[in-house]
Amino acid sequence: ETGVTQSPTHLIKTRGQQVTLRCSSQSGHNTVSWYQQALGQGPQFIFQYYREEENGRGNFPPRFSGLQFPNYSSELNVNALELDDSALYLCASSPRTGMNTEAFFGQGTRLTVV
Amino acid sequence: KQEVTQIPAALSVPEGENLVLNCSFTDSAIYNLQWFRQDPGKGLTSLLLIQSSQREQTSGRLNASLDKSSGRSTLYIAASQPGDSATYLCAVNFGNEKLTFGTGTRLTIIP
Repeated sequence: ETGVTQSPTHLIKTRGQQVTLRCSSQSGHNTVSWYQQALGQGPQFIFQYYREEENGRGNFPPRFSGLQFPNYSSELNVNALELDDSALYLCASSPRTGMNTEAFFGQGTRLTVV
Repeated sequence: KQEVTQIPAALSVPEGENLVLNCSFTDSAIYNLQWFRQDPGKGLTSLLLIQSSQREQTSGRLNASLDKSSGRSTLYIAASQPGDSATYLCAVNFGNEKLTFGTGTRLTIIP
């Protein structure tokens, strides 16, 4: 059984560009959540996808968007990158949505915007 | 506002000692609480999950407790080792499809 995998591990982009981050959920998991972690802070919830539909969103602007595919893998897209978007982006998968499930995280993608 | 707080932000302890990390939260109506470990620049490793109906969970040298009425959880680490050095994050599921995290406690075990 493979865990949550994210790609790429590191990325450098220029302000104004667009970026796509990818996440493969753990086998058997149909729920994927994305988090942004700035340096020295706790992760902040961006949004969650359940069975290919957005199922909750945090306080992030619309230029943060996502997709979930039939195999439950997911993408996070960020348009018009800003310097403050520099952070570690974490993907978490769960066996189902709902209140009592455990979240399993990937190793993250380190995004640097210059 | 639902918030999670972890104090202290950093802690140094000699190897072999037992230690307790603290987590407090503002809303007692939680669904579960999860403790994570994070090594520098890495992702999160789940350590323990406590459901709202439970008082504690144990895994090896780790024991996590939950007191909803006081809005507190503790992570107890027995016989600390240098390999335990990491940042420990507490995350609460308040029932709105997301985890709310504290800012973590950076633990250093001194050999």
